[in-house]
Amino acid sequence: EVQLLESGGGLVQPGGSLRLSCAASGLSFNNYAMTWVRQAPGKGLEWVSSISRSGGDTFYADSVKGRLTISRDNSKNTLYLQMSSLRVEDTAVYYCAKHPWSSVDYMDVWGKGTTVTVSS
Amino acid sequence: QLVLTQPPSASASLGASVKLTCTLSSGHSTYAIAWHQLQPEKGPQFLMKVNNDGSHNKGDGIPDRFSGSSSGAERHLTISSLQSEDEADYYCQTWGTGVVVFGGGTKLTVL
Repeated sequence: EVQLLESGGGLVQPGGSLRLSCAASGLSFNNYAMTWVRQAPGKGLEWVSSISRSGGDTFYADSVKGRLTISRDNSKNTLYLQMSSLRVEDTAVYYCAKHPWSSVDYMDVWGKGTTVTVSS
Repeated sequence: QLVLTQPPSASASLGASVKLTCTLSSGHSTYAIAWHQLQPEKGPQFLMKVNNDGSHNKGDGIPDRFSGSSSGAERHLTISSLQSEDEADYYCQTWGTGVVVFGGGTKLTVL
């Protein structure tokens, strides 16, 4: 069974940094593109960032470009989201998700999420 | 610009059927979409991919009560024999080159 487990969320002050991790199991991780999606309180799902299976191609929503960085370590079956210059509006539950193959298209497996709260 | 539009809410009675709609923006009517379910206190769950021709591929373990269809720029999710656990938020999602797009979501209430 494919499982995705996010970690690293917490409370951080505006302007601070945080690194989220997503540990994948039950799959050949390096075969799949991966994505981060978030849901702010009372809002809908918002795409954050995606990465190709090799890590060579990365894509970002305009709202996070230049502040959040997606990466992966295929030897550790782990996806990361380095978050810096955090804003109050980055407060959300962050989900990692897997694509069914190497391209960024739809997501077929999701994690349960980790909560990031940006507040002073 | 690639945009997905969903009505914010829908409701139907226990045991009945409901059809949720997701509309693709002009110029994107041939795009496939995916449906995801988000229940309170749970992570999202992939339900199915719906293609332009109405064919659909469901996720593992998704009951036969869930089906997909297509009509022009509209993609549909039909849930039959509604159960209380179907009360959730439903999101459609599509993709372009280097971008993933979500609709605003439809909150389904089971009466």
